[in-house]
Amino acid sequence: DIQMTQSPSSLSASVGDRVTITCRASQSISNYLNWYQQKPGKAPKVLIYAASSLQGGVPPRFSGSGSGTDFTLTISSLQPEDFATYYCQQSYSSPGTFGQGTKVEIK
Amino acid sequence: QITLKESGPTLVKPTQTLTLTCTFSGFSLTTSGVGVGWIRQPPGEALECLALIFWDDDKRYSPSLRTRLTITKDTSKNQVVLTMTNMDPVDTATYYCAHRRGHSSPFYYWGQGTLVTVSS
Repeated sequence: DIQMTQSPSSLSASVGDRVTITCRASQSISNYLNWYQQKPGKAPKVLIYAASSLQGGVPPRFSGSGSGTDFTLTISSLQPEDFATYYCQQSYSSPGTFGQGTKVEIK
Repeated sequence: QITLKESGPTLVKPTQTLTLTCTFSGFSLTTSGVGVGWIRQPPGEALECLALIFWDDDKRYSPSLRTRLTITKDTSKNQVVLTMTNMDPVDTATYYCAHRRGHSSPFYYWGQGTLVTVSS
C-alpha cells in the first residue's frame, strides 16, 4: 500500500501570504497525484489533478508541481475563502490513498 | 449534471454489517473507464479510500480492510452498494461515494456524505 505523507499538518497564514504544502509518496507514483480542498461539513473538491493540471473553475492562484515521490501545492496569494484543509491523494494504484491533511488557518 | 447520494443506517451496533447505497445520476457505470468509489472520514480525521468499482466490474479494495468489504453495482438502478462486516466503534465516520473517470483519475464528483455511528 502506498503511503502519502503531508507536511505541515497545520499552518497559520495571513491573507495575501504565499503558502506551500508538500506531499511525499512512499514509492514513485509518476504524476498520479491529486490535491483536494475540504471545508468543514462539506465533501472535498478537486483543485489539481495529475500533479500540475488545474481543475476547471479553480482560481489560478493554486498550482501544483512535482513527480515521482515529491509534490507541492502552492497558493500564491492566500484569500479568505482558502482557509480549509487540503489533502493530497495518489491515483497510481487503486483505490488510492490520501495524505493526512494540512489545515490552513487564519493568523 | 452528475450527482451522487449516499443512503443507509445512521446507527449500527458493534459486530453488525453495514450496508450503504450510492445512488447516482448524470453518468452510467456502463461507460468505459467510469468508476464509483467509497471514501470515509472519521470525525476530525483524514480521508480514507475504502473501495472502488469500475464499469467493467473491476473491483479494488483498501488492503487493510479488504476482508471486511464488498462493493457491487446495479447498473439498471444506477446504484453502487458497499457492505462492511463486523462494525466497530472506530468505524464511526462520514461515508462518501464519489465518481471517478478512470483508474488514474481523481474523484471529481462527490456525494454529500452520510454519518454512520457505531455504538451499542
